[in-house]
Amino acid sequence: DAGVTQSPTHLIKTRGQQVTLRCSPKSGHDTVSWYQQALGQGPQFIFQYYEEEERQRGNFPDRFSGHQFPNYSSELNVNALLLGDSALYLCASSSPTTGGLGYTFGSGTRLTVV
Amino acid sequence: GESVGLHLPTLSVQEGDNSIINCAYSNSASDYFIWYKQESGKGPQFIIDIRSNMDKRQGQRVTVLLNKTVKHLSLQIAATQPGDSAVYFCAENSEAAGNKLTFGGGTRVLVKP
Repeated sequence: DAGVTQSPTHLIKTRGQQVTLRCSPKSGHDTVSWYQQALGQGPQFIFQYYEEEERQRGNFPDRFSGHQFPNYSSELNVNALLLGDSALYLCASSSPTTGGLGYTFGSGTRLTVV
Repeated sequence: GESVGLHLPTLSVQEGDNSIINCAYSNSASDYFIWYKQESGKGPQFIIDIRSNMDKRQGQRVTVLLNKTVKHLSLQIAATQPGDSAVYFCAENSEAAGNKLTFGGGTRVLVKP
């Protein structure tokens, strides 16, 4: 049974560009949360999607946006990239029955902005 | 604001010894706390959780202690093994806040042979 799958694993972008990261949740999970993890820091909550809608949002600017598809997969989009956006972006899936205890994290996408 | 933090950034421990990782939190409304292990190149992996109405919980080789009086929790790893080398995070969760995790800054555990 596949866990959470994220793509790509690494990518390098230039300041001002836009990027799209993708996540496929664990089988049976319908909720996707995105986290940003700067080097040496704990993950920071970006937003959460359920039933194709953004249900919660952390303290991130509007340059960060997302989408959830009918098959529960999700995308994270970041516009007008800044050097400070360089980080590991983690996707975590869960279900309403598991809640916060049932998070399964992917291995992340390492984004480098130059 | 609400935060979860750790006292020690790096912990070096001899193989076979016990490890203790500490964490302080500030949100007294948290419903439960979770310890995660993150190995290089991987996402956080669930280790153990503890509800706010408990003060101790044991798992396989791990014990979590919660002291609500001083808003402190710890993770004890018995007989530390080389495979325990990783970064450990505590995280808090509030169901009323929608089950979003708030992580601390992490402690790196290095196991010496």
